[in-house]
Amino acid sequence: DAGVIQSPRHEVTEMGQEVTLRCKPISGHNSLFWYRQTMMRGLELLIYFNNNVPIDDSGMPEDRFSAKMPNASFSTLKIQPSEPRDSAVYFCASSPVVAGAYEQYFGPGTRLTVT
Amino acid sequence: GENVEQHPSTLSVQEGDSAVIKCTYSDSASNYFPWYKQELGKRPQLIIDIRSNVGEKKDQRIAVTLNKTAKHFSLHITETQPEDSAVYFCAASNYGGATNKLIFGTGTLLAVQP
Repeated sequence: DAGVIQSPRHEVTEMGQEVTLRCKPISGHNSLFWYRQTMMRGLELLIYFNNNVPIDDSGMPEDRFSAKMPNASFSTLKIQPSEPRDSAVYFCASSPVVAGAYEQYFGPGTRLTVT
Repeated sequence: GENVEQHPSTLSVQEGDSAVIKCTYSDSASNYFPWYKQELGKRPQLIIDIRSNVGEKKDQRIAVTLNKTAKHFSLHITETQPEDSAVYFCAASNYGGATNKLIFGTGTLLAVQP
């Protein structure tokens, strides 16, 4: 298995532009998590899905952020409009969440820079 | 809400010495406690985890201990090597409960001096 796949790996955009981050979880995993990592705030959970259904989006910072999971093999995190304070590394992780198997497998991350 | 505190934020040890990182959690229903290692510019990766039904787990040079009464757990690395240098995150979760999300600590930057 290729592991969790994220694209793009790096994104540089100007303030006000729309940004879409993509994630392909490991096949067979039924939970998907979006995290944001910064030096100041550490690793923050933004939202997670079980079986493609959003379960907890309490970490989404504001209405400019939205996430979707249209099927078991794809999820997007969208920021519109983007702001410089959104600059961070965004990780997607997936987990099988079956009895006894709880590990979250992280993707390589997308480094977002908003100028 | 749920909270995980992690100490110290930075830790410097000499190669061959031991390193200990400690975490406390607030949700008494937590039953799963993983530790992740993140090397510079890389993704977090699970190195060891422990369930609430055991007090200690060991895997070669790393071990984790859990005290459910005090609501704290610790990572122990023995015979540290330069390749152990990284940021380590603890986390807690209540799997099987209303949510399976992980609550992460703020991380510990471990530097192993050769």
